[in-house]
Amino acid sequence: AQSVTQPDIHITVSEGASLELRCNYSYGATPYLFWYVQSPGQGLQLLLKYFSGDTLVQGIKGFEAEFKRSQSSFNLRKPSVHWSDAAEYFCAVDQGNQFYFGTGTSLTVIP
Amino acid sequence: DAGITQSPRHKVTETGTPVTLRCHQTENHRYMYWYRQDPGHGLRLIHYSYGVKDTDKGEVSDGYSVSRSKTEDFLLTLESATSSQTSVYFCAISESGLAKNIQYFGAGTRLSVL
Repeated sequence: AQSVTQPDIHITVSEGASLELRCNYSYGATPYLFWYVQSPGQGLQLLLKYFSGDTLVQGIKGFEAEFKRSQSSFNLRKPSVHWSDAAEYFCAVDQGNQFYFGTGTSLTVIP
Repeated sequence: DAGITQSPRHKVTETGTPVTLRCHQTENHRYMYWYRQDPGHGLRLIHYSYGVKDTDKGEVSDGYSVSRSKTEDFLLTLESATSSQTSVYFCAISESGLAKNIQYFGAGTRLSVL
């Protein structure tokens, strides 16, 4: 069965510090991978996606993610976090017509 | 929010009552989805639709039904609401159901069943 794991339920970082959010998946074939962000009381917004090709993908708001097939991972990174990045982040895998989401990582940014 | 409107945005209801949530899109996308979001579970697919009158079950479909009589509207019905259906419900749309397709989400409906 398909599964997506986000091992960190909650992360706190200082403003200006770097950030890495982890995502691991279990899927036999080449996955299509996504990161979404959800601000409080809002829907999900797509940050970036990986379909094929270059394993380092750039997204909106200065985020990037790296696909590592050998580790079944798709970790999200940002070199310098801003207070407005405080939100919940979801990793997702597309299996044809169904998405499978991780349980999310809540990010707190300390001034 | 990519032309997706969910209504109502908030609803409080009692156990045993029927509830219908509406998702309306202006993008003319073929696929529409209903998810529920619960702490510790992320988002889980309830039902989805791949065209007018074409629907299928998702991971957590028990206790829910859906209908799609027009491209732009996808209704989620709880025939007899239970407290376990207290959740935040999200509608999503996508242009096709093929892999590589991006889903766009509405702002959500917060439902409380007392």
